[in-house]
Amino acid sequence: QSALTQFASVSGSPGQSITISCTGTSSDVGNYNFVSWYQQHPGKAPKLMIYEVSKRPSGVSNRFSGSKSGKTASLTIYGLQAEDEADYYCCSHAGSSTLVVFGGGTKLTVL
Amino acid sequence: QVQVVESGGGVVQPGRSLRLSCVASGFTFSSYGMHWVRQAPGKGLEWVAVILSDGSRKYYADSVKGRFTISRDNSRNTLYLQMNSLKVEDTALYYCAKESKILVAGREFDYWGQGTLVTVSS
Repeated sequence: QSALTQFASVSGSPGQSITISCTGTSSDVGNYNFVSWYQQHPGKAPKLMIYEVSKRPSGVSNRFSGSKSGKTASLTIYGLQAEDEADYYCCSHAGSSTLVVFGGGTKLTVL
Repeated sequence: QVQVVESGGGVVQPGRSLRLSCVASGFTFSSYGMHWVRQAPGKGLEWVAVILSDGSRKYYADSVKGRFTISRDNSRNTLYLQMNSLKVEDTALYYCAKESKILVAGREFDYWGQGTLVTVSS
């Protein structure tokens, strides 16, 4: 099972919006609505930001939004803030063989 | 509050074994699937294994299948990862992570530990 494909890096200025994409296959992203996104600051554990494609856990800012079209999921961050600078990973359910697959991660830099 | 705390990491030679533990608290451990996820130094997250809430089913990444065994003791609120035939490429920070919903597996992880570092080196 190959990792989901994410661009290595993205950047934006404070107040702008950015979108991070995550491309999978018909065996994972394209077949299940169990796509999640994690934020990881340096030296910290990952934090769940989005689950089931577009749902936000309690306590996560509504500046974070998720969506999916076909085999590609997306995370959009509106009104960028300095504290959003982190690595972001997508994750998908991948069926009964290999149950879970992560993306390679995208480093977000807030300029 | 929910906590998961990993332990058992260390430096080990290639081909040797190591067992990781993860002690959980603050939730009904026996109701949730539990995962191991690892992160090699400077690299991304890699899912390793999951065990269902009652231990009835286990799933593994291809990279560890046949070498690693996930298990749990619901009476001790503890998750384990037995790692055999370790390779240099198994060097990573190993996280224990809780499934967010009861009685399912492979959806999303709502709580993570701080990880335990495994270094495989001669």
